[in-house]
Amino acid sequence: DVKVTQSSRYLVKRTGEKVFLECVQDMDHENMFWYRQDPGLGLRLIYFSYDVKMKEKGDIPEGYSVSREKKERFSLILESASTNQTSMYLCASSPEYNEQFFGPGTRLTVL
Amino acid sequence: RKEVEQDPGPFNVPEGATVAFNCTYSNSASQSFFWYRQDCRKEPKLLMSVYSSGNEDGRFTAQLNRASQYISLLIRDSKLSDSATYLCVVISNDYKLSFGAGTTVTVRA
Repeated sequence: DVKVTQSSRYLVKRTGEKVFLECVQDMDHENMFWYRQDPGLGLRLIYFSYDVKMKEKGDIPEGYSVSREKKERFSLILESASTNQTSMYLCASSPEYNEQFFGPGTRLTVL
Repeated sequence: RKEVEQDPGPFNVPEGATVAFNCTYSNSASQSFFWYRQDCRKEPKLLMSVYSSGNEDGRFTAQLNRASQYISLLIRDSKLSDSATYLCVVISNDYKLSFGAGTTVTVRA
């Protein structure tokens, strides 16, 4: 079974803090994605990566950056967390542009 | 206009009933379509792909209407375990992936 893991299930940070969200997949997938999910808005793509050291902006990249130094790991960075970044963050991986396998999510609260 | 739109529901149905709902998309060049299921406080998981000719998987039937730019999901003989939020996913011809906000289905005993 494909396994996608995320470093934390719940995280509470203060405004202005730097936040790292880590995602690891064990199926050698090329593509990895970061989404945030908010009520009524669904999943919105923040960034994605189709190869090591490659990254592409999604629909809402502002306030975020990413890092993919190894194929299995894709990190989302909030340089200076703000309250409007309180959300559920979901990481996903996929071998091609078809089925995506999601991690369990990280619920981030920024106070 | 959102690229992918779904009726949020909720659709409250008794066990054994049939429930159906649609997902409309704005990009006529979209090439791939999927339905995902998301249980409360869980991650989305693929339910089924949607093929041009329509497809069935047990009690679930998915259809694509390219002329009217929507996909549909029909659930027959609803079970309590079908209660979830159903997300549609559309991939455009330039591989842009868009999720709908989800349709909530609640099956009651």
